Amino acid sequence: DQQVKQNSPSLSVQEGRISILNCDYTNSMFDYFLWYKKYPAEGPTFLISISSIKDKNEDGRFTVFLNKSAKHLSLHIVPSQPGDSAVYFCAAMSGSSNTGKLIFGQGTTLQVKP
Amino acid sequence: GAVVSQHPSRVICKSGTSVKIECRSLDFQATTMFWYRQFPKQSLMLMATSNEGSKATYEQGVEKDKFLINHASLTLSTLTVTSAHPEDSSFYICSAKGTGNQPQHFGDGTRLSIL
Repeated sequence: DQQVKQNSPSLSVQEGRISILNCDYTNSMFDYFLWYKKYPAEGPTFLISISSIKDKNEDGRFTVFLNKSAKHLSLHIVPSQPGDSAVYFCAAMSGSSNTGKLIFGQGTTLQVKP
Repeated sequence: GAVVSQHPSRVICKSGTSVKIECRSLDFQATTMFWYRQFPKQSLMLMATSNEGSKATYEQGVEKDKFLINHASLTLSTLTVTSAHPEDSSFYICSAKGTGNQPQHFGDGTRLSIL
């Protein structure tokens, strides 16, 4: 049972354009969401997070949008740069669980072409 | 930013060998550490959660006698794959988390190859 889903395994965009990565979840108890970026042979690097009390969080070129009613979140990268090429994982957590346990999606491979 | 060091980065060994992987939080105290396993082109699957000074909590389907976890201090957790076999070959990643609603910070992973 995949509680966090990233339905697009890959995405290709041109440098300078917007990259939009999508993530859906099924568990209504999730109240904190994170995006991680991962290069090959490295561990994931934290990018940005959002609490369920917000619908948007912005940090530089990265913006995460949360639509609770649709159980959907997205990561926008603008403008996209070749160095953004990596695998992006969304993850969800239930704060009430107190364990900090994250449930990850399958990842989306982003390729930004120069 | 927060740094988590994982060692070794790669291990190649014979079947039947036990392998120990270390995970250290270098600049913060990690009240909780997590161990994940990632198969090719798949998500990170949580194996176990460890809190300093207490027994690890294993996810369903993960053999606790196979994957021994020790979290002896607030900066160090170890995962020992006992009597490893080829099916244990995988990418193992640890993460560490401080108190409160802080994100997990990940190590760079260990590529384990059992011949």
